Formats: sequence, structure tokens, C-alpha cells
Amino acid sequence: NAGVTQTPKFQVLKTGQSMTLQCAQDMNHNSMYWYRQDPGMGLRLIYYSASEGTTDKGEVPNGYNVSRLNKREFSLRLESAAPSQTSVYFCASSVLAGGPGNEQFFGPGTRLTVL
Amino acid sequence: AQSVTQLDSQVPVFEEAPVELRCNYSSSVSVYLFWYVQYPNQGLQLLLKYLSGSTLVESINGFEAEFNKSQTSFHLRKPSVHISDTAEYFCAVSARGNYQLIWGAGTKLIIKP
Repeated sequence: NAGVTQTPKFQVLKTGQSMTLQCAQDMNHNSMYWYRQDPGMGLRLIYYSASEGTTDKGEVPNGYNVSRLNKREFSLRLESAAPSQTSVYFCASSVLAGGPGNEQFFGPGTRLTVL
Repeated sequence: AQSVTQLDSQVPVFEEAPVELRCNYSSSVSVYLFWYVQYPNQGLQLLLKYLSGSTLVESINGFEAEFNKSQTSFHLRKPSVHISDTAEYFCAVSARGNYQLIWGAGTKLIIKP
């Protein structure tokens, strides 16, 4: 099992460009999450999907959209990138949001730089 | 609502010395508690968790954490650190039945040879 995979690993964009970050999990998990990680700020939740067909905003959703394509895949889209979106983006999944423990499994991350 | 405070942004320690990484949380409801570790240029992985039962939980690589309800703390300890423990450690909490993990800002463990 690959666990949680993310593509691309690195990306450089110019201000105003768009892109989609891809995430897939092969653990048959119901819930998936997108976080961004900035120095000294820990992880901040952008969007999550508690189950296939549902998505909800997290703490910092502005400037992002998501699609839960199927149970395995959860993509994050930046429609018009801004320098403030320079960050490391992590996708995660869990068996069930709010379930016992709610242990989340993380992908390796995407390092995004917006110039 | 829950919140998590990791009191130290960096903890330097000599190799083979003991270490404690501090984590305090606030919550009005029962919680689950977690420590995750992030090695350089990698994603996060679960180190240990407290769900219920014994307040002392251990990881396979020698770390332990103790849930202290009265002090709302979940400090992480290791009696003797190794250079391979160099990483950033994140404390997280979730309310029972809630989807969301609330994260601390992280503590970088720096091992000095």
C-alpha cells in the first residue's frame, strides 16, 4: 500500500496562475483533509471531506477550492495564486472523521512557491 | 472549542540526555490527544496517542507521554535521545466525535552531539 500520495512534490507559480494539487489514498478511508504548514504556525486546516460527496471549509479556506472526486481522491485548487499561498501543503486521510482516535495519515507534502 | 499550546518552539539537548516536550490543551469536553513527528522534508506520522484508559502511553521508539487531566497536559518524554530523533514534534487534540484535529505550533527537537 502506498498510503497517501500527493502530486506534484514541488511547484513554482507566478501570481495569478492556477493549479490543482492532487491527493489519493489507498487505505479505504472515508475522510480526507487539506492542510497548509507555515513556519511557527503548525498545521492549519483548509478544507476537509468527512465522506465521499461532502466537503466543508476549515480554518483558512479563502483562495482555495476542493473536489472529492471519489472515495480515493481529494484535490485542492488554487484559482488565482497569491504570494501569501506560498506554503507546504499536506493531504491527510482518516478512517472516519470524529471516530475513535481520528488518527490521520499524511502524504509527503507539496512545496508551493508563488512569485 | 479546543486549543493547544506547545510552550517551546525549539528544544536543544545533548545526545543521550533526557528530554521533555511540553503540550497543554484547553477543552470543555473529553478529548483524544496525539503526538505526531515530522522528520526533515517529510510528512507527519503518528508517534503516539491517548484515547482512554491508562494515562501513560508509549511509542515503539522509546517516547512516552502522560495524560494529566487536572493540568490539561500531555507532555512527551524520552529518557535518552538519539541523533535520529531530530525532528519537529506536533501535539494535537480532537474532541470526541469531532472531525477536526487542533494542532500546536510544533517543537523542534535539536540534538547536539
